[in-house]
Amino acid sequence: KQEVTQIPAALSVPEGENLVLNCSFTDSAIYNLQWFRQDPGKGLTSLLLIQSSQREQTSGRLNASLDKSSGRSTLYIAASQPGDSATYLCAVPMNAGNMLTFGGGTRLMVKP
Amino acid sequence: NAGVTQTPKFQVLKTGQSMTLQCAQDMNHEYMSWYRQDPGMGLRLIHYSVGAGITDQGEVPNGYNVSRSTTEDFPLRLLSAAPSQTSVYFCASSYLYPGTGDSPLHFGNGTRLTVT
Repeated sequence: KQEVTQIPAALSVPEGENLVLNCSFTDSAIYNLQWFRQDPGKGLTSLLLIQSSQREQTSGRLNASLDKSSGRSTLYIAASQPGDSATYLCAVPMNAGNMLTFGGGTRLMVKP
Repeated sequence: NAGVTQTPKFQVLKTGQSMTLQCAQDMNHEYMSWYRQDPGMGLRLIHYSVGAGITDQGEVPNGYNVSRSTTEDFPLRLLSAAPSQTSVYFCASSYLYPGTGDSPLHFGNGTRLTVT
């Protein structure tokens, strides 16, 4: 069974710092990995999707990398801003791709 | 473009009552799904559908029914609500299976359900 772990569970940083969020998964036979953002009281918003043939994806100040062989992905946020404060979740497929397994999330607080 | 729309946003039920959570998407997505999110348990898949007329069970299907008569709508029915079903429910959709290829999952804003 695919298990997804995100470390740390919570992170507080001052504005302007570069930071890395980690995601690890137990079954490396995946087609893709997705990173999401969730604001309090809201649904999840897809940030980046990395296909298994890719090693990284970038969107603005966000960069996600994928190392299938080691079962790891990282989300790099450059020059963090208070508006980045949210919970970040990663998700990988299970059961031939028709379901996703989510990590528990990292709750990020960026202080002005 | 509305995306994924869920109604209602909040609901309080008494044990044993039934209700339907509505979900609609206007992106012509074939794949639709329902998740529940609980503190300490994360997001868990309840049911999913890969197209009109096709549904299947996820990780925690007991106590919930679904049907998919159109591409746009995927309602979730609670037949006899229990306190254990107190949760936040999210509907999500994608063009293809979310775990294959380049098909990100789009979420609604959720329904917060309390069963007393």
